[in-house]
Amino acid sequence: EVKLLESGGDLVHPGGSLRLSCAASGFTFSIYDMSWVRQAPGEGLEWVSAIGGSGGSEGTTYYTDSVKGRFTISRDNSENTLYLQMNNLRAGDTAVYYCAKLGYCTGGRCYNFDYWGQGTLVTVSS
Amino acid sequence: DIQLTQSPSFLSASVGDRVIITCRASQAINTYLAWYQQKQGSAPKLLIFTASTLQRGVSSRFSGSGSATEFTLTISSLQPEDFATYYCQQVHSYPYTFGPGTTVDIK
Repeated sequence: EVKLLESGGDLVHPGGSLRLSCAASGFTFSIYDMSWVRQAPGEGLEWVSAIGGSGGSEGTTYYTDSVKGRFTISRDNSENTLYLQMNNLRAGDTAVYYCAKLGYCTGGRCYNFDYWGQGTLVTVSS
Repeated sequence: DIQLTQSPSFLSASVGDRVIITCRASQAINTYLAWYQQKQGSAPKLLIFTASTLQRGVSSRFSGSGSATEFTLTISSLQPEDFATYYCQQVHSYPYTFGPGTTVDIK
């Protein structure tokens, strides 16, 4: 059974830092692209970042414009864990952060986010 | 970046109704589109990918169609468990944007 378990969410002051973790199990973590998606309170889904797995563009990273230069996605395939290092946090980063596995991957690209974690809440406030 | 719009933003429907949600992309994305259902307090759930492929385990009352810039999600006969918010997502190119969502409420 595929499981994704996020942790690390907390209350942090503007300008502060936080590292989120996503522990994965039930699949060969190293092969798959992984992603972070966030949802501000009462708002819709916003894709944040992604990192390639060995089945595609291994280690290649992607970011939405609003977090470029502040957030860093990484993965430890030996620990089956995905990370999101968030620096210089702003009030607008307040959200539930979901870890998601990309699925139905063929020809070096993936076509959906087939499994999601339960999310971890990040609150940026003074 | 590719922008997605959804219509309607909100709809009120009854059990047994046929419901159609539209998603439009700002540029052609072939069939690189997925649909998700999200219930209050829960993570999104994948329903449809490549515009029309039903995810394993998802009820066949859900179906998707479309290509290029216009897509639809159809619920053939709305059930009580279908009241939720539905999002489309393009996986044509990064950033993998989501639509703003369509909330389906009980009439």
